Amino acid sequence: DVKVTQSSRYLVKRTGEKVFLECVQDMDHENMFWYRQDPGLGLRLIYFSYDVKMKEKGDIPEGYSVSREKKERFSLILESASTNQTSMYLCASSRENSPLHFGNGTRLTVT
Amino acid sequence: SQQGEEDPQALSIQEGENATMNCSYKTSINNLQWYRQNSGRGLVHLILIRSNEREKHSGRLRVTLDTSKKSSSLLITASRAADTASYFCATPFNTNAGKSTFGDGTTLTVKP
Repeated sequence: DVKVTQSSRYLVKRTGEKVFLECVQDMDHENMFWYRQDPGLGLRLIYFSYDVKMKEKGDIPEGYSVSREKKERFSLILESASTNQTSMYLCASSRENSPLHFGNGTRLTVT
Repeated sequence: SQQGEEDPQALSIQEGENATMNCSYKTSINNLQWYRQNSGRGLVHLILIRSNEREKHSGRLRVTLDTSKKSSSLLITASRAADTASYFCATPFNTNAGKSTFGDGTTLTVKP
């Protein structure tokens, strides 16, 4: 079974801090994704990557950046956390045209 | 706007009843995917139906696809309390068509 591991289940950070959310997958998938999920807004794509060192903006990239230095790892970076970035963050990976495999999510609270 | 859009937004039924959720999408696809999410967890892939298929079964799940109407439905038969979750449809990701897109989901509550 594919395993997608997010480094933290819960995270509390202060406004202005730099925040790193890490995601690792073990199935050699080309594609990796970061979503955020908020009540009433569904899943919104922040960034995705289809290859090492490649990244593409999703629907809501503002305030975020990503890094994919190795195929198995996709990091989401909040350069200066703000309270409106309090959310559930979901990482996923997939092959082309195939189902996404999600991690268990990181619930981030910015105070 | 979102491509996968589920309907209804919320559904509450008794154990043993069937639950039907609908999904509409906007673009051409080569498959459509359904996912389930338990509260506070990540999404789990349930079933994929290809564009040349009209119906697919997996256990108590039945998925239909109508590419002419750009719609799909998920039927859960003989529901159980453990089926309580949110259900999402999604169009697939590929580098030509662009990103996979999820709707807002249907929240299913199955009362024991």
